[in-house]
Amino acid sequence: DTEVTQTPKHLVMGMTNKKSLKCEQHMGHRAMYWYKQKAKKPPELMFVYSYEKLSINESVPSRFSPECPNSSLLNLHLHALQPEDSALYLCASSQAGQSNEKLFFGSGTQLSVL
Amino acid sequence: QKEVEQNSGPLSVPEGAIASLNCTYSDRGSQSFFWYRQYSGKSPELIMSIYSNGDKEDGRFTAQLNKASQYVSLLIRDSQPSDSATYLCAVTGSSASKIIFGSGTRLSIRP
Repeated sequence: DTEVTQTPKHLVMGMTNKKSLKCEQHMGHRAMYWYKQKAKKPPELMFVYSYEKLSINESVPSRFSPECPNSSLLNLHLHALQPEDSALYLCASSQAGQSNEKLFFGSGTQLSVL
Repeated sequence: QKEVEQNSGPLSVPEGAIASLNCTYSDRGSQSFFWYRQYSGKSPELIMSIYSNGDKEDGRFTAQLNKASQYVSLLIRDSQPSDSATYLCAVTGSSASKIIFGSGTRLSIRP
């Protein structure tokens, strides 16, 4: 079982909805990540928080808004999404945000935008 | 040229045989290399990490790294049906700012 917990597991939303994805880890890790994965494609990095500060934003559209309330929690706020945003959204954590660290992934949120 | 390249497969291997998965990368300065396993509909799970040239063994898994050839591989001995999954190669670029994933190789172990 993963020690990174994501909710909800599935989400269906309309293009005008506002929703949030949540992620929590209790491993004492100080870096948390959001990845987007389309079917049969590799995970694509969206955002990295290191010590609760946004350290990487991979030119993600503003309809995706990350938030890191504390070192254990990571949210992804969604607004005015497009159907092409439908994907598996994966949260991950690592010890301190160095790229030579192992990533621990949550089970993901399968998002469908209608 | 993609930064991290893998054969997409599917790679079909009989049960009990050795499965060999390969990955090449373009950034000669890369320092850290990972293999993740991903079952269909599930999240990636770290299998192996390797940082220096040579072989690293963990149970039935062996990672091999050759920095001169910019090549990293994963061998799975005594393949089991439960090994059927997509295997993602991941590499840290020389700027060390992020991990880059390959597109994955789908492995199928036939009974």
